[in-house]
Amino acid sequence: KAGVTQTPRYLIKTRGQQVTLSCSPISGHRSVSWYQQTPGQGLQFLFEYFSETQRNKGNFPGRFSGRQFSNSRSEMNVSTLELGDSALYLCASSSTDTNTEAFFGQGTRLTVV
Amino acid sequence: AQSVTQLGSHVSVSEGALVLLRCNYSSSVPPYLFWYVQYPNQGLQLLLKYTTGATLVKGINGFEAEFKKSETSFHLTKPSAHMSDAAEYFCAVRVPGAQKLVFGQGTRLTINP
Repeated sequence: KAGVTQTPRYLIKTRGQQVTLSCSPISGHRSVSWYQQTPGQGLQFLFEYFSETQRNKGNFPGRFSGRQFSNSRSEMNVSTLELGDSALYLCASSSTDTNTEAFFGQGTRLTVV
Repeated sequence: AQSVTQLGSHVSVSEGALVLLRCNYSSSVPPYLFWYVQYPNQGLQLLLKYTTGATLVKGINGFEAEFKKSETSFHLTKPSAHMSDAAEYFCAVRVPGAQKLVFGQGTRLTINP
């Protein structure tokens, strides 16, 4: 079974631009969550999507948005990039079973210059 | 609300020595608890999890952790450290029924030859 796939792995953008990151969950998983990892703030929850609906949202500005498609693939978008958005963005997928864990992708390293 | 505190941002042990990484949590409801490991430029890999049942849980690579409700702790141990254990370790808590993970700040484990 293939794992969680995130593309691209590395990205360099300029301040003010926007960026879209993609995540393909494990086959059969319908929940996709996104996390931001920075040296200063650690791992912080961005949002979770289930069956194309956002179920939960972290404390991030509206510049951060996401969506999920009918095949459970998810994208997150960051508009008007700031230097502080430089981070590793991790996607995790989960099945709907209560006791199961989240499986993480390799992440997308975003650098804003 | 849930929170996780990992005591010690850096831990250094000799190869063959006991590894002990500390994690304390706060949760308003009985939580699910997880330990993840992260190698450089990689995503998170699950080491072990506690959901219900036996409080001593065994994971991959010889790691284990014990859930102690009275101490609100979930410390990670390994009897004998190996050089390949050098990585960053994250403790996380999740409320049953939700997918959002709340992570500790992480502990970087260094193994000395």
